Amino acid sequence: NAGVTQTPKFQVLKTGQSMTLQCAQDMNHEYMSWYRQDPGMGLRLIHYSVGAGITDQGEVPNGYNVSRSTTEDFPLRLLSAAPSQTSVYFCASSYSIWDGNTEAFFGQGTRLTVV
Amino acid sequence: DAKTTQPPSMDCAEGRAANLPCNHSTISGNEYVYWYRQIHSQGPQYIIHGLKNNETNEMASLIITEDRKSSTLILPHATLRDTAVYYCIVRAGTDSWGKLQFGAGTQVVVTP
Repeated sequence: NAGVTQTPKFQVLKTGQSMTLQCAQDMNHEYMSWYRQDPGMGLRLIHYSVGAGITDQGEVPNGYNVSRSTTEDFPLRLLSAAPSQTSVYFCASSYSIWDGNTEAFFGQGTRLTVV
Repeated sequence: DAKTTQPPSMDCAEGRAANLPCNHSTISGNEYVYWYRQIHSQGPQYIIHGLKNNETNEMASLIITEDRKSSTLILPHATLRDTAVYYCIVRAGTDSWGKLQFGAGTQVVVTP
């Protein structure tokens, strides 16, 4: 049982490049989400999904796209990287978004630097 | 979700119990109290959660006051590896994971 797996762990991009951050979970969780964490700051929600085929925007969605074709995977796409997107990105999953009695599990993060 | 208030930092001697307070005076009846920690920019790690009753697991104990307006996370025998930022969160169901707010948390430093 691997939990929430994020790849890559580190990435350096040039301004204007695009890339996809991968997130996979093997716990059959219906809820998955992406957060970014800037130095000294809390987590900010980018996008989330409550099931395959269903996604919605969070607090800071601009510049990012997501899709959820399977229960297991929730990739985050950066369309045209900008230095302001330099951050640590975390993926999280939870069995149900509707049950207050279920915890969320987080991946170990992807450190992205845009130069 | 209700807001929480935590002290910004605290120190603890290795081997001693660490008691981390959290105030959530506006908590609703259906909101759970969750504790997470983040070690040196790793992914947040779930510790424990509860609704009304005190809870204990292999990592920690959670004491919730009878009026549910505050709680205390207890690390019974702190080790150096417990140095981390600890977050107290209250949440119900609906879409509150989507709007999860960790806040600033408490920076705990365990010293030898």
